[in-house]
Amino acid sequence: AQKITQTQPGMFVQEKEAVTLDCTYDTSDPSYGLFWYKQPSSGEMIFLIYQGSYDQQNATEGRYSLNFQKARKSANLVISASQLGDSAMYFCAMRRKSGGSNYKLTFGKGTLLTVNP
Amino acid sequence: EAQVTQNPRYLITVTGKKLTVTCSQNMNHEYMSWYRQDPGLGLRQIYYSMNVEVTDKGDVPEGYKVSRKEKRNFPLILESPSPNQTSLYFCASSYGTGAGRETQYFGPGTRLLVL
Repeated sequence: AQKITQTQPGMFVQEKEAVTLDCTYDTSDPSYGLFWYKQPSSGEMIFLIYQGSYDQQNATEGRYSLNFQKARKSANLVISASQLGDSAMYFCAMRRKSGGSNYKLTFGKGTLLTVNP
Repeated sequence: EAQVTQNPRYLITVTGKKLTVTCSQNMNHEYMSWYRQDPGLGLRQIYYSMNVEVTDKGDVPEGYKVSRKEKRNFPLILESPSPNQTSLYFCASSYGTGAGRETQYFGPGTRLLVL
């Protein structure tokens, strides 16, 4: 069974500093996709970044980068130069690619990030 | 603007009164899915659809129905809502497969309260 673990229920960071949100996953599928989503207090789910299991390079999207360590089954999100607007819940998710036709996302429990001024 | 829309955004209803939450996407995505989000349980998939007229159950389908008559629309139907269906509901869509195509984009969410 697939599983996503986010061990940090809450994190604090000073504005303009970098922060790493941890995510480990467990799957026996050889092919999968990893995602990070942001959920502000308003409730919407915002896509941040994607990493395919066969991608050789770590994904980057602006201030977001994904530190993908396949052997350790980790996919940590790094936010550089934190901003007050980054305060939100962050979810790591995984989608299986091989087998079946359902592109279901399995989500972690989330990490609540608070950016202090 | 590429987006997934849901209506209504907020709904208060009573037990047993049928309701429909609409979902529409303008990105020509083949794959659509419904999730519910509950405190302590996270996001769980209700139903999904690979294409028009192709739907299947997710993890928690009991008490829900869906249909996919058009590619852009994927309504969620609660025939006889109960209080345990009080939740935050998300519709999501993606192209389906392939690098850069499997990202699921979410609608703004529908907060449902069943009394």
